[in-house]
Amino acid sequence: DAKTTQPPSMDCAEGRAANLPCNHSTISGNEYVYWYRQIHSQGPQYIIHGLKNNETNEMASLIITEDRKSSTLILPHATLRDTAVYYCIVRGHGSSNTGKLIFGQGTTLQVKP
Amino acid sequence: DGGITQSPKYLFRKEGQNVTLSCEQNLNHDAMYWYRQDPGQGLRLIYYSQIVNDFQKGDIAEGYSVSREKKESFPLTVTSAQKNPTAFYLCASSIWGQREPQHFGDGTRLSIL
Repeated sequence: DAKTTQPPSMDCAEGRAANLPCNHSTISGNEYVYWYRQIHSQGPQYIIHGLKNNETNEMASLIITEDRKSSTLILPHATLRDTAVYYCIVRGHGSSNTGKLIFGQGTTLQVKP
Repeated sequence: DGGITQSPKYLFRKEGQNVTLSCEQNLNHDAMYWYRQDPGQGLRLIYYSQIVNDFQKGDIAEGYSVSREKKESFPLTVTSAQKNPTAFYLCASSIWGQREPQHFGDGTRLSIL
């Protein structure tokens, strides 16, 4: 599975959009990009995932560059409850994969009033 | 509501004692996983199971054991052979071999008395 790079921390004003970047320059063709977040002392929460097209759900939007070497998670109207550590994970699928998710250090997003 | 239930939320182990962490899911997922998270660290895979009555070691299986007698249940036993068991333990489940994401429980925090 490809490695990802994320900034260690970011701040965002409440009500504004939070844009969290992720670099995955070694991503291969069958690997998906997943985003999770973890609030202190809770289990990781799935947010969104995609292969090459941009994706949107009720929580967030995922923008993947055309060359797929980077992506951005967008929380359109951040609230204080969005303060968490956000993880970008690249994962392949196939018989050789255990299915495990490799969580790096993530980005700590602090939403401020 | 469908989801993953881990119990207990907090657990204390005495020296030389085995303890068992419970994980139950009602998502009808075939695959289940156990991860360990240490403070400020990412998740590490302990064991995973693709189907009932089958399971595989992950990256840090030593000192742990699992069983998968029912689709819904994947208990983890932390044995006395695990010399550094203090950690946050997370159970997850997913549809195996697909791009669908893993969903996590809220974790069990294990400490040594």
